[in-house]
Amino acid sequence: SYVLTQPPSVSVAPGQTARITCGGNNIGSKSVHWYQQKPGQAPVLVVYDDSDRPSGIPERFSGSNSGNTATLTISRVEAGDEADYYCQVWDSSSDHPYVVFGGGTKLTVL
Amino acid sequence: QITLKESGPTLVKPTQTLTLTCTFSGFSLSTSGVGVGWIRQPPGKALEWLALIYWDDDKRYSPSLKSRLTITKDTSKNQVVLTMTNMDPVDTATYYCAHSGSGFDYWGQGTLVTVSS
Repeated sequence: SYVLTQPPSVSVAPGQTARITCGGNNIGSKSVHWYQQKPGQAPVLVVYDDSDRPSGIPERFSGSNSGNTATLTISRVEAGDEADYYCQVWDSSSDHPYVVFGGGTKLTVL
Repeated sequence: QITLKESGPTLVKPTQTLTLTCTFSGFSLSTSGVGVGWIRQPPGKALEWLALIYWDDDKRYSPSLKSRLTITKDTSKNQVVLTMTNMDPVDTATYYCAHSGSGFDYWGQGTLVTVSS
């Protein structure tokens, strides 16, 4: 089965740049989606198809995907960005494609 | 605007079957390309995808849970139903339904299901 690997935690000071990685075998060939989840709330899509932003998501959120690593970059981090972040892809390598989520990364704003 | 809401029991006993309903508005499951999925999250743990159904009744299931899951839709009622058989305490989680576009772009608030005798 396809596995997405995320670091359990990332810490960054306000105003700095946070980078959250999502590793997977040849993930660069897949479309990666990223979700933000704050405590007690449902996840929110912040980046889709590797690097596109839904309406209402600040430009500070951006994504990239190449080789075996996809990255969510949050520029000029704010206290309100503190949350869990999940990457997600479709694994279409078999006759029965299925959705895979990463294990999640807790972003702490120092 | 698109909204989704999950409903179902908050408590089920081990070995019972769980039936959850997702009632949505703002889109139609008869529109080409549209899908609705179910995702769950045990307390303090990561998201886990369960199943997804498309406008054309194509269904996808988590390989690890496929034998226990059934997803159906009622287009006239704007509802998607997920059943999960043989519930176990490890299935205790918040269950979400979500609209599938490019990614899961709209989510319900989630419903906490506890499995306990």
